[in-house]
Amino acid sequence: RKEVEQDPGPFNVPEGATVAFNCTYSNSASQSFFWYRQDCRKEPKLLMSVYSSGNEDGRFTAQLNRASQYISLLIRDSKLSDSATYLCVVMGAGSYQLTFGKGTKLSVIP
Amino acid sequence: NAGVTQTPKFQVLKTGQSMTLQCAQDMNHEYMSWYRQDPGMGLRLIHYSVGAGITDQGEVPNGYNVSRSTTEDFPLRLLSAAPSQTSVYFCASSYATGSGYTFGSGTRLTVV
Repeated sequence: RKEVEQDPGPFNVPEGATVAFNCTYSNSASQSFFWYRQDCRKEPKLLMSVYSSGNEDGRFTAQLNRASQYISLLIRDSKLSDSATYLCVVMGAGSYQLTFGKGTKLSVIP
Repeated sequence: NAGVTQTPKFQVLKTGQSMTLQCAQDMNHEYMSWYRQDPGMGLRLIHYSVGAGITDQGEVPNGYNVSRSTTEDFPLRLLSAAPSQTSVYFCASSYATGSGYTFGSGTRLTVV
């Protein structure tokens, strides 16, 4: 089983749609969780950290279920500028190493 | 505020050549890492450092060396370039475990 698995995508959605990405991780000792976005031929940029209580940042909502080892990202009212690859990222307890999923590509269509 | 600066942005090497990819950050971050990104593979950790004078291997360290003589700089050395090292290399830094990393803009390396 891969350490971090994501929906393979691509997701093609119209502007204004709501889209959800899912991610599972295999290491139950993982401590920290993140969503990054990566634009084509650019570096990954931190979108948001993910907390057990769930957290929201504008149109973006992230959820963590430690029992199921499952992470999600919900994007509401999609914009053209949301088109990117979304990376699910996990860090182990006491570790400095990030483990990345392969990413899910989102295309928001006019 | 420059963040994480990587040089060069592009490089073509011949098989067997050596080179150093430079990475510098001006945020006084203790943690720095090097990743490579290949199509269909995601980002994989090469080496990382938790402070000046301390480095350790990641998932794919073979063929690469690192050193951390200062907090700011974390160069990655390719000892004898091979075509399998053709990739995009990202340097990243963070101020604490559990915090997100800031990435540099990357170095696109082609080994022919």
